[in-house]
Amino acid sequence: DAKTTQPTSMDCAEGRAANLPCNHSTISGNEYVYWYRQIHSQGPQYIIHGLKNNETNEMASLIITEDRKSSTLILPHATLRDTAVYYCIVAAGGTSYGKLTFGQGTILTVHP
Amino acid sequence: GAVVSQHPSWVICKSGTSVKIECRSLDFQATTMFWYRQFPKQSLMLMATSNEGSKATYEQGVEKDKFLINHASLTLSTLTVTSAHPEDSSFYICSASSQNNEQFFGPGTRLTVL
Repeated sequence: DAKTTQPTSMDCAEGRAANLPCNHSTISGNEYVYWYRQIHSQGPQYIIHGLKNNETNEMASLIITEDRKSSTLILPHATLRDTAVYYCIVAAGGTSYGKLTFGQGTILTVHP
Repeated sequence: GAVVSQHPSWVICKSGTSVKIECRSLDFQATTMFWYRQFPKQSLMLMATSNEGSKATYEQGVEKDKFLINHASLTLSTLTVTSAHPEDSSFYICSASSQNNEQFFGPGTRLTVL
């Protein structure tokens, strides 16, 4: 699976949008971009995933560049409960078929 | 999303004993279950992948005789840490997926070996 690069940490003010970048320059054509987050001492929570097109759900939006070499996760109105480690993962063919390789992720801290 | 549970949520045991951790998919049938381990301030590391009714596939460096995995039904997988030692103390997390679906994670089990 392709490797991803994320900033170690980011801060965001409560109520503002949090934009978390991820580089995956070696992504293959059949690899999806997945985002999970992990709140302290809990299991990871699925957020969103995409292949080529931008995606949006009730939690977040995922913007994937046209060349697919990078993406941005957007939390439109961050709350204190969004403080967590955010993992950007690329995986081939959907996660039900393959393992997820977790990097170090981005520690997002939302402050009042 | 789908719900995955783990039991127990935490366990303390003596060195040399065995500990069993259960992972259940509550509202879907999981054709594949994954077991991860996470040490403090580190990321999740995949230990093994198991498909219902077949033997688990272990990642390099994970001892299959020490970490016994059973996936006897579409809703239950168990991880048994045999002859546990203090270095096995960790946060063990399972995930489950059905065909054409994302992986959903359990809440984790914190194991402390004295």
